[in-house]
Amino acid sequence: ELKVEQNPLFLSMQEGKNYTIYCNYSTTSDRLYWYRQDPGKSLESLFVLLSNGAVKQEGRLMASLDTKARLSTLHITAAVHDLSATYFCAGGDNAGNMLTFGGGTRLMVKP
Amino acid sequence: GAGVSQSPSNKVTEKGKDVELRCDPISGHTALYWYRQSLGQGLEFLIYFQGNSAPDKSGLPSDRFSAERTGGSVSTLTIQRTQQEDSAVYLCASSLETANTEAFFGQGTRLTVV
Repeated sequence: ELKVEQNPLFLSMQEGKNYTIYCNYSTTSDRLYWYRQDPGKSLESLFVLLSNGAVKQEGRLMASLDTKARLSTLHITAAVHDLSATYFCAGGDNAGNMLTFGGGTRLMVKP
Repeated sequence: GAGVSQSPSNKVTEKGKDVELRCDPISGHTALYWYRQSLGQGLEFLIYFQGNSAPDKSGLPSDRFSAERTGGSVSTLTIQRTQQEDSAVYLCASSLETANTEAFFGQGTRLTVV
């Protein structure tokens, strides 16, 4: 059974700073997803990582996947207030049937 | 439609009543998923459909929960004899196929059992 753990669970940071959110998963998974959720809203897909060494960037966010370490990271560069949200990573099971989500990282960027 | 559509967006029901939650996936998406998100919690997998069949029902919390999908499109999640612990946001997602494809989520149905 795939287990996904994120850390930190809560992150408060100043605008302009850099930080990384970590996502560890327990068994082999070749698919890793990152989602963003604003309060009271649904999940918005950010990144889909399908292979070892995959790196994707969108604006101030960059996601990477290391399948050997069973680790994905979401790096935030020069944070701005608009990035405040909860970020979830999710791993796909090998049968490709479901996503198992981490507990989420609540990010608060202070002006 | 342009995205995954769920209805109702909010539902308040009395304990013991049955409720039906509806999900209309993105046109052409064969895979459909139901998740539950309790207040301040992560996402709990409930069930997924490939076409009209549900190979994995392991996430359903109890036999009060059931789901069906007809015509490879709309899905209904039914909760019988609702309990207060059923209060949560129920999220539906769809994807082109199950393996290696991105899942898109609807806005969710916020269920409150009083």
